[in-house]
Amino acid sequence: DTAVSQTPKYLVTQMGNDKSIKCEQNLGHDTMYWYKQDSKKFLKIMFSYNNKELIINETVPNRFSPKSPDKAHLNLHINSLELGDSAVYFCASSHLLAGQSTDTQYFGPGTRLTVL
Amino acid sequence: AQTVTQSQPEMSVQEAETVTLSCTYDTSESDYYLFWYKQPPSRQMILVIRQEAYKQQNATENRFSVNFQKAAKSFSLKISDSQLGDAAMYFCAYRSGAHFNKFYFGSGTKLNVKP
Repeated sequence: DTAVSQTPKYLVTQMGNDKSIKCEQNLGHDTMYWYKQDSKKFLKIMFSYNNKELIINETVPNRFSPKSPDKAHLNLHINSLELGDSAVYFCASSHLLAGQSTDTQYFGPGTRLTVL
Repeated sequence: AQTVTQSQPEMSVQEAETVTLSCTYDTSESDYYLFWYKQPPSRQMILVIRQEAYKQQNATENRFSVNFQKAAKSFSLKISDSQLGDAAMYFCAYRSGAHFNKFYFGSGTKLNVKP
């Protein structure tokens, strides 16, 4: 009964390719997130998304785009991959109630992306 | 802007002993949440404990407790009776009460537990 799942767990690809990472949550949450954790373990939020609003961290290149087919899924699509995109990407979810942010995010297991 | 600082990159503790991990944060908001997450070698981020800023009482979860000093903007994590399974990276995190997208992590503290 995985609450937040990501696929694939590992992704190795060449520079310039386009790739996607899938995320699914079965918690009934209405808000999902993508984080990037670099080699120094710094964890930074990339996107926050619920059915009303997509918020993009201004530092995220537009090669990155979240795609949400439904409330339970938020996939991360990356175009024209670069060496610097190598990192671990985490998906997370939480439940946003009537404009108030709740406090707990549930994280997926992470996807290690390696760009060669 | 909100920032979260963990000044201890790495710490060690003897099994069964107690260790305290430090975290400070900077904010101009009055409504926010604070968290400690654990990241074992498996990489998954696991919620350890959370604290609502409006609550004066320190949160406790079994062997884990926090010392929340709102005026000092300090949020330390105490692990009692340390176990080998506690070895991991620990991240302090701040969440805005008004903006669901404002979630900031510290740089992490690697905890080693010695048998």
